[in-house]
Amino acid sequence: SQQGEEDPQALSIQEGENATMNCSYKTSINNLQWYRQNSGRGLVHLILIRSNEREKHSGRLRVTLDTSKKSSSLLITASRAADTASYFCATDLLFPNSGGSNYKLTFGKGTLLTVNP
Amino acid sequence: GAVVSQHPSRVICKSGTSVKIECRSLDFQATTMFWYRQFPKQSLMLMATSNEGSKATYEQGVEKDKFLINHASLTLSTLTVTSAHPEDSSFYICSASGTSGGEGETQYFGPGTRLLVL
Repeated sequence: SQQGEEDPQALSIQEGENATMNCSYKTSINNLQWYRQNSGRGLVHLILIRSNEREKHSGRLRVTLDTSKKSSSLLITASRAADTASYFCATDLLFPNSGGSNYKLTFGKGTLLTVNP
Repeated sequence: GAVVSQHPSRVICKSGTSVKIECRSLDFQATTMFWYRQFPKQSLMLMATSNEGSKATYEQGVEKDKFLINHASLTLSTLTVTSAHPEDSSFYICSASGTSGGEGETQYFGPGTRLLVL
């Protein structure tokens, strides 16, 4: 099953409004990251929050993390039409491999955000 | 920020042929590269992780003989889809990180390769 589950699956708002997306996960994590993906393109890293942090800001982005509830939220304030994209949360877990050890990301299903001008 | 490129961006091939996708880190040394597959309107699914000079680690359910991964240098990893079939049609995305397991390491993603198998 998916480690990260975002809700809502789709969100449509007007320009200038705030958009809030939530992510839940099942197992313990080291960090949680949020990514953005424009249609048919690669992912852009937005923000990383460590497991010992509760809130983080970056420009118009605000991320919270509640490890007791195993959930995170991404808030985009004063949205713009250019913010239209899919947003994914991803949790990273340490795992051993033949080359040593790695942190691998497990992505949620994503939230499709549409900001109408 | 760090830049990762993929080539080709789009490929159409006949069923039964093999397709090679390249992933390059342009301005940093990528000790670890990841390959993901994304079906339409779905999330990214990790296929395999490769460390430079080591064998790739494949996720459960991913056939290593079908999806050959080579990470021969610190700036290049390749994914070869052998004997491609229509069900292999998907969006393949690579990512690269600069260390092999540092806490909070950010993965930098390539723009993706759209594969269509006829």
